[in-house]
Amino acid sequence: AQSVAQPEDQVNVAEGNPLTVKCTYSVSGNPYLFWYVQYPNRGLQFLLKYITGDNLVKGSYGFEAEFNKSQTSFHLKKPSALVSDSALYFCAVSPIGAGTALIFGKGTTLSVSS
Amino acid sequence: DTGVSQDPRHKITKRGQNVTFRCDPISEHNRLYWYRQTLGQGPEFLTYFQNEAQLEKSRLLSDRFSAERPKGSFSTLEIQRTEQGDSAMYLCASSPTSETLHFGNGTRLTVT
Repeated sequence: AQSVAQPEDQVNVAEGNPLTVKCTYSVSGNPYLFWYVQYPNRGLQFLLKYITGDNLVKGSYGFEAEFNKSQTSFHLKKPSALVSDSALYFCAVSPIGAGTALIFGKGTTLSVSS
Repeated sequence: DTGVSQDPRHKITKRGQNVTFRCDPISEHNRLYWYRQTLGQGPEFLTYFQNEAQLEKSRLLSDRFSAERPKGSFSTLEIQRTEQGDSAMYLCASSPTSETLHFGNGTRLTVT
């Protein structure tokens, strides 16, 4: 079955420290990979995506993600966390390509302390 | 770009009643998606339209659920004979021909 795993329910980091939110996937073929962020009582906001090309993808708000095909991972990273980065982060995969439904992980809550 | 708009933001209904939600996508986005999100879970795909055609439906979409997108513009999601298990956040998203989904703020349904 095609799936996305976010192994950590919560990640805690201090402001100014680097952060990593982990994501692994299990799909056939060459998937498209995404990260979205959700603030309380709001919809999801797009952060970044990997389609093809450079394995390091840069996105909004200083976030980046590294695609690793051999490990089937797509971890979200940021060199220096801000308190305002505290939110719920979702990894998602599109198994076939454009137009098909995204499969989401269960989400990881990021908490950045001052 | 006015964003994806969903109405209402909140809906409280009694078990057994019918409810209808509306989604207005970003104009010129020909793809429209409905997702359901429960507490502690990621969004789960319900159904997908390309223009007015409903191209994909999840097995989660029981026969009590129906979605329409007349004229390929706004969409409605109706739930008949609501059950307590239907309580969730219902998210709508739209996209142009690219892959990125743009989500609305959702409709939170509470079935009492």
